Amino acid sequence: DARVTQTPRHKVTEMGQEVTMRCQPILGHNTVFWYRQTMMQGLELLAYFRNRAPLDDSGMPKDRFSAEMPDATLATLKIQPSEPRDSAVYFCASGPRGNTEAFFGQGTRLTVV
Amino acid sequence: AQSVTQLGSHVSVSEGALVLLRCNYSSSVPPYLFWYVQYPNQGLQLLLKYTSAATLVKGINGFEAEFKKSETSFHLTKPSAHMSDAAEYFCAVSGSGNTGKLIFGQGTTLQVKP
Repeated sequence: DARVTQTPRHKVTEMGQEVTMRCQPILGHNTVFWYRQTMMQGLELLAYFRNRAPLDDSGMPKDRFSAEMPDATLATLKIQPSEPRDSAVYFCASGPRGNTEAFFGQGTRLTVV
Repeated sequence: AQSVTQLGSHVSVSEGALVLLRCNYSSSVPPYLFWYVQYPNQGLQLLLKYTSAATLVKGINGFEAEFKKSETSFHLTKPSAHMSDAAEYFCAVSGSGNTGKLIFGQGTTLQVKP
């Protein structure tokens, strides 16, 4: 059963610490999305990649956030330094060629204290 | 550019009643349209999608949606609500083909009363 895998599922960290979230997209999918979900803002697109190249990261605070795809089986989202306002659920999703749909992981619930 | 507006952040229906969740889109290119459902503490699950084939799209769990270009709408319906339908529902749009990012609406929480 192919699925998007995100690690960790939960993360509690202190303000100022670096946080790294990982995502394993579905094998063969060429598009990867990172979303952030909060009560206030809903689902915000942070960045997305196609064939491992970043296509759009305009939704991401550049001073502290970075997203990469070291290889086709791993996408990472880093926050350095983390702040309490970064507390949210971060979702990774992957999609096949043609943008016909996106499959979501279970999310990483981040709490910055 | 694409955007989605979901009318009504909360919808409450009685079990067995019709479910109607509204979605209007804006797109500068022929759109692909999606409805996703999110249960508590879960990721998003695809309910159905429109990708320029039939305008009436049937999805899982008895849901369907109709693409109306003249109204720029893609409303989600289900003839008879079940308690298990209580969840948050998201409408999303992307550019057709290999062009665009997937943009979500703000979501509608569906409450089903016994």
